[in-house]
Amino acid sequence: EAQVTQNPRYLITVTGKKLTVTCSQNMNHEYMSWYRQDPGLGLRQIYYSMNVEVTDKGDVPEGYKVSRKEKRNFPLILESPSPNQTSLYFCASSLWGGEAFFGQGTRLTVV
Amino acid sequence: AQSVTQPDIHITVSEGASLELRCNYSYGATPYLFWYVQSPGQGLQLLLKYFSGDTLVQGIKGFEAEFKRSQSSFNLRKPSVHWSDAAEYFCAVGADTDKLIFGTGTRLQVFP
Repeated sequence: EAQVTQNPRYLITVTGKKLTVTCSQNMNHEYMSWYRQDPGLGLRQIYYSMNVEVTDKGDVPEGYKVSRKEKRNFPLILESPSPNQTSLYFCASSLWGGEAFFGQGTRLTVV
Repeated sequence: AQSVTQPDIHITVSEGASLELRCNYSYGATPYLFWYVQSPGQGLQLLLKYFSGDTLVQGIKGFEAEFKRSQSSFNLRKPSVHWSDAAEYFCAVGADTDKLIFGTGTRLQVFP
């Protein structure tokens, strides 16, 4: 089954404690991205990757890092989380043309 | 700059009634347009997409959308809403680097 898998689904952490949210896709897509969803703001792109070892900033990259060492994986790293990064995060992958397949989401709370 | 506007934050309809969710976009070239649905606690599922050709596109779950270039719109419609359609709906435009730009969403509530 074609899917994008994110882990964990829920995470509560404390300010400053580094964390990683994993994302894996089994569709051999080249393009992967991370979004955060906040009430009234829709989904905003954090980072994207057009291929292995190629990543670039989206609209709200501050406080986040990503890596793309393998085609299937695209982890999101928060080196020093802060409360304003409390949000619902989605990983997505796609072929050219923008039709994206989304993971189930990770609800992060930073206290 | 590219942008997507969904003017209705919240819509309530009765089950069996027709539905239209509005979406307006701003994009310099011919856009790729999408509608996604997000059920509570779930990720986003693609309802339908427009790349080119016929401006009336059919999607899953009985939804359709019409691309109107003159109005920069891509409104989503369904002739008869079911209770299970209650969800949040997002319109998105595909930008030049495969990036998706989303609207702020419309929450649909369905009354029996």
